[in-house]
Amino acid sequence: DAKTTQPNSMESNEEEPVHLPCNHSTISGTDYIHWYRQLPSQGPEYVIHGLTSNVNNRMASLAIAEDRKSSTLILHRATLRDAAVYYCILRYSGTASKLTFGTGTRLQVTL
Amino acid sequence: DAGVTQSPTHLIKTRGQQVTLRCSPKSGHDTVSWYQQALGQGPQFIFQYYEEEERQRGNFPDRFSGHQFPNYSSELNVNALLLGDSALYLCASSLEGFRANTEAFFGQGTRLTVV
Repeated sequence: DAKTTQPNSMESNEEEPVHLPCNHSTISGTDYIHWYRQLPSQGPEYVIHGLTSNVNNRMASLAIAEDRKSSTLILHRATLRDAAVYYCILRYSGTASKLTFGTGTRLQVTL
Repeated sequence: DAGVTQSPTHLIKTRGQQVTLRCSPKSGHDTVSWYQQALGQGPQFIFQYYEEEERQRGNFPDRFSGHQFPNYSSELNVNALLLGDSALYLCASSLEGFRANTEAFFGQGTRLTVV
């Protein structure tokens, strides 16, 4: 599986936008970029995914670099409920059965 | 619509014992994956069941086995428990073998403590 690199932790103030970066320099042309998050004492939760183009949904936006070697998850207005560990995961379309989690980015949101 | 349900939520077992964890997938989902999450770590893939067969397996010993029933629910069995098996066990459901452009839904997990 191609590797991703994320900062261990980030902090944000409530109601401000948050940009969570992910580097994946060895990404292949058929790898999808997925983001999951895990709130305290809960199972992971799907956030968003994309292949080449930027994506938006009700939870977040995903900005993908033109060379696809990095991506950024954008939370437009962080709330206390967004405090979680965020995982950036590459999924190869050829053998897509599993999710390979790294250590993720722990996001702290303060008032 | 009930999401992914796991039982029990917590479990304490003694070293050497055997344990069975259960998972009911989200309605309409036919694929179940199991993950182990040690404290402070990301989840690690154990195996996946689709069409009642184990389709893919992670780097876990044969002490870890599973089963999928015709109604798509699944069990994870761990034999000869070790202290290191203490972890949160997560079940995830998805569709059709979990294609790369689809999402998985996770349960709340079963917290297993081996003493």
